[in-house]
Amino acid sequence: NAGVTQTPKFQVLKTGQSMTLQCAQDMNHEYMSWYRQDPGMGLRLIHYSVGAGITDQGEVPNGYNVSRSTTEDFPLRLLSAAPSQTSVYFCATRGGANVLTFGAGSRLTVL
Amino acid sequence: RKEVEQDPGPFNVPEGATVAFNCTYSNSASQSFFWYRQDCRKEPKLLMSVYSSGNEDGRFTAQLNRASQYISLLIRDSKLSDSATYLCVPSGSARQLTFGSGTQLTVLP
Repeated sequence: NAGVTQTPKFQVLKTGQSMTLQCAQDMNHEYMSWYRQDPGMGLRLIHYSVGAGITDQGEVPNGYNVSRSTTEDFPLRLLSAAPSQTSVYFCATRGGANVLTFGAGSRLTVL
Repeated sequence: RKEVEQDPGPFNVPEGATVAFNCTYSNSASQSFFWYRQDCRKEPKLLMSVYSSGNEDGRFTAQLNRASQYISLLIRDSKLSDSATYLCVPSGSARQLTFGSGTQLTVLP
């Protein structure tokens, strides 16, 4: 039972490049979300989805796009990477009673 | 006032000690609360859920004070393996769970 799988685990980009962070879950959870974590800032919500075809913005959505075409997948797109997007990104699903299950994280460095 | 505030620490305690940290929240509508544990460079994992006045699980006790809007986490008989960052999450909004920035605990031999 894989739970929540994120790829890639590490990525280095140059400013202006685009990329997609992948998140897949096999828990059949409707709710999925993306957080970023920076030193001293805690986890901040970027985007979330309450089901296929439905997405919404979180606390820090600028510079990121998401889509939710299936229950299983929730990719996060950076269209034009900036050094301020250097961070650790976590995908999470939510099951019963608001409990979040996180993926292992994706570490992104933008030069 | 931040939605969730935690003392960042670090808390450095000897093995076997009892340690407690608090988390204050601003949304009085929060009904449930969570403590997550995050090891260095790893993902957060659920430690405890709190739905009423408190919860106890072995050496860990979480207590909720709704009047003062804080929850606490008490760890008894600390182990080296308890070293981690502890994140507080009140469920103010079902759609957007807001995390505290975490309290760092180091248990020393």
